Parts: sequence; structure tokens; C-alpha cells
Amino acid sequence: EPEVTQTPSHQVTQMGQEVILRCVPISNHLYFYWYRQILGQKVEFLVSFYNNEISEKSEIFDDQFSVERPDGSNFTLKIRSTKLEDSAMYFCASSASQGALDGYTFGSGTRLTVV
Amino acid sequence: RKEVEQDPGPFNVPEGATVAFNCTYSNSASQSFFWYRQDCRKEPKLLMSVYSSGNEDGRFTAQLNRASQYISLLIRDSKLSDSATYLCVVNSGYSTLTFGKGTMLLVSP
Repeated sequence: EPEVTQTPSHQVTQMGQEVILRCVPISNHLYFYWYRQILGQKVEFLVSFYNNEISEKSEIFDDQFSVERPDGSNFTLKIRSTKLEDSAMYFCASSASQGALDGYTFGSGTRLTVV
Repeated sequence: RKEVEQDPGPFNVPEGATVAFNCTYSNSASQSFFWYRQDCRKEPKLLMSVYSSGNEDGRFTAQLNRASQYISLLIRDSKLSDSATYLCVVNSGYSTLTFGKGTMLLVSP
């Protein structure tokens, strides 16, 4: 079964450092997303991406966040200057259909710990 | 604010029991509804979509009441492997999903 792949599975970084979280979406999917889940909290939307541009973003996705599809397979989330409160599980997802009509497939996540 | 509300549980049931979860959502414009399952420290996995007419997938039955903005999930003949957190999920924008905090189910032998 096709899957979304995320690396690394766990990243520890010092406050103020930049981190890049990487994702390889399912190959024939065109819509890509980042969500995050702070420990014990609900899954929260960050950003959606289609046709090489951001489709929607949440209030959480401020100027310290950016996304990029640097080549035909990778989709990255960059956090420029990490804060303690950025510690969370970050999930990448992809979907074949337009909009959130069929649900999406999530990757196994990157656990980001900011110290 | 677009919210999805669920009883956090936990629901403790014996194997073989029938258990039901409910969820309410605030965005009346939502068109897509889902139940996801999340195991501890893992990614959410799509369990089933929820259709207006109600739908069933094996031991799982989902219902949607648009007028009351209410979604339900019924699990029959619970298995130990059903132990997980069940997330009610609703589309809240063109391409975004809003998640409930989840209902924890613990199935015991």
C-alpha cells in the first residue's frame, strides 16, 4: 500500500535553531499538507499546498514557518527559529483529490523536541 | 471558531461489547466527515468516511445528522485491537480538516 514517508522520525533541536522536516508524499498525489499535534492535544492544521503554492494556512503558520517542494518528490516544512512551544509531532499528509473530500493519508510523523 | 467536540472517555468495555461514540461539529457548511483512528504516538489513520445516509464497514457503522450537526460511530463485537483513540474529523475549508480531540477506547479481555 502506498505510504507517505517522513524523516527524521525524531529531531531534537535547541531553541532558536532552524529545522527542516522532510516528507515524501504518495507519488500520484497532488495535494500536500502539514499538521501538528502537541502532546495530549488535538491534531491541528498548519498548511496545504497545491501546484507549487500554498492553498490555505492557519494562524499557527506564521512567518517562522515555510514550505517547499524542492523537487518532484520531497515536500518540506522549515521552522526558522524554533521556540519551546514548537515541540510537537508534525504530520505530513497527501491526497489525490481536490479539497478534503476523501480524507488523506498521513505519514508516521516527526517528533520535534525543542530544548 | 470551527470546532469538533467529542467526549474524551476513556470508554472501558469488555471484548465483544458494542460501544458508541458521538461527536458534534460547529461549522454548518462542512461537507465531508470522517472517523480516524489514532494509536498512541502514531499517525491518524482513516477508519471510514461518513455519509448522509449512514454507512457500514464490517463491525463499524457511522451515522451523520446534518440538522443536529452530530456524527456517531458504533463498534460492534469489540476486539482487543480496537483499543485506540477515535478522532471525529470534519472538513473546515477547501482543503483542510478539523479534528476533534478524540475519544479513547480501551477493550479488555
